[in-house]
Amino acid sequence: GAVVSQHPSRVICKSGTSVKIECRSLDFQATTMFWYRQFPKQSLMLMATSNEGSKATYEQGVEKDKFLINHASLTLSTLTVTSAHPEDSSFYICSVVGTGGRQPQHFGDGTRLSIL
Amino acid sequence: SQQGEEDPQALSIQEGENATMNCSYKTSINNLQWYRQNSGRGLVHLILIRSNEREKHSGRLRVTLDTSKKSSSLLITASRAADTASYFCATDNQDTDKLIFGTGTRLQVFP
Repeated sequence: GAVVSQHPSRVICKSGTSVKIECRSLDFQATTMFWYRQFPKQSLMLMATSNEGSKATYEQGVEKDKFLINHASLTLSTLTVTSAHPEDSSFYICSVVGTGGRQPQHFGDGTRLSIL
Repeated sequence: SQQGEEDPQALSIQEGENATMNCSYKTSINNLQWYRQNSGRGLVHLILIRSNEREKHSGRLRVTLDTSKKSSSLLITASRAADTASYFCATDNQDTDKLIFGTGTRLQVFP
């Protein structure tokens, strides 16, 4: 069964809207979750590392005020794309790393975000 | 960019043929992993090979790792139409849990 649940699977909304994406770890407590972004026919690019109970760590070039991450519990991390614009349209995927930071990572099914 | 390179970018074969994908990376690693992604879906973990291993098998999958050349290969034997997907290698940095993904190979297996 699924280890990670990501919701919603698809969002279509108008420019200027803020969109929240949820990532839930179903099988174990996750102190660390990762958020990735993937453009069509491209690879996954890490956006940020979500740490339970503390601030997220953002990769270079990722605006922390644009992509708000909240990891308030050991099973839930949320990514909010604030005031989304068409260039934010992409496929967003979360992953959960196992207990003690052991690989492999378990991925959600992704969220297709389309900003009109 | 620290991103790994994969080749070929795209591969089309007939059912029953073998498919080989190659991955090169840039940094020292703890392990290298291969993931599969069906169109519009998340990633599914296929196999993990540690930096002190040279070859690993899982069903129809065979992975090799050459740390001196910083390269790995994924072989899928006796391919099936259901193997059609994108395949990514990913390495984890020795200092963090972050994964650095390769550029991916899009595999198409024709029935």
